[in-house]
Amino acid sequence: DAGVTQSPTHLIKTRGQQVTLRCSPISGHKSVSWYQQVLGQGPQFIFQYYEKEERGRGNFPDRFSARQFPNYSSELNVNALLLGDSALYLCASSLLGTAGNTIYFGEGSWLTVV
Amino acid sequence: GEDVEQSLFLSVREGDSSVINCTYTDSSSTYLYWYKQEPGAGLQLLTYIFSNMDMKQDQRLTVLLNKKDKHLSLRIADTQTGDSAIYFCAEWEAGNNRKLIWGLGTSLAVNP
Repeated sequence: DAGVTQSPTHLIKTRGQQVTLRCSPISGHKSVSWYQQVLGQGPQFIFQYYEKEERGRGNFPDRFSARQFPNYSSELNVNALLLGDSALYLCASSLLGTAGNTIYFGEGSWLTVV
Repeated sequence: GEDVEQSLFLSVREGDSSVINCTYTDSSSTYLYWYKQEPGAGLQLLTYIFSNMDMKQDQRLTVLLNKKDKHLSLRIADTQTGDSAIYFCAEWEAGNNRKLIWGLGTSLAVNP
């Protein structure tokens, strides 16, 4: 079975642009979460989705938005990009998104904002 | 508030055991996780432990949990050069935001 897949793997954007990152969870998993990892730091929680509904939101500005589709895949959108948005964006997949679930991550999308 | 702390660096010789330590603050944490991250890669789940357990063993990995002291450790037996990576401790926060709270990671260097 395929693991968590994310696309694109690397991208470069200029300040002010918009970006869409995509994630396909493990087959059968209904919950997707997004994390931002800045170089040298641990990941920071952005969103959690379960059954197409937002179940959690981290301390990120409204420029960040996400959605989950009926097939449980998800997109993360970031508008009006800033240099500080440069990071590795990680998608996490779990069965139910609750405690005790094994949580698997994709390889991430490396975003560089210039 | 929530906080997870780890020592930043650990250096061991190949064949020795590695012990990576982590402390957390949220006493309501139910699950604690260990992940491995190699350079330029995503996060690989190594193991996780439920807070009512003291120990969990999985092949070369042993997790010890001291809930009273909110201390978690990951022991890697017979450490190999392929174990060189950053190891993250994370606690599950089950409040309004269902999320993992992460430490800064411990960079493990294995010397031949």
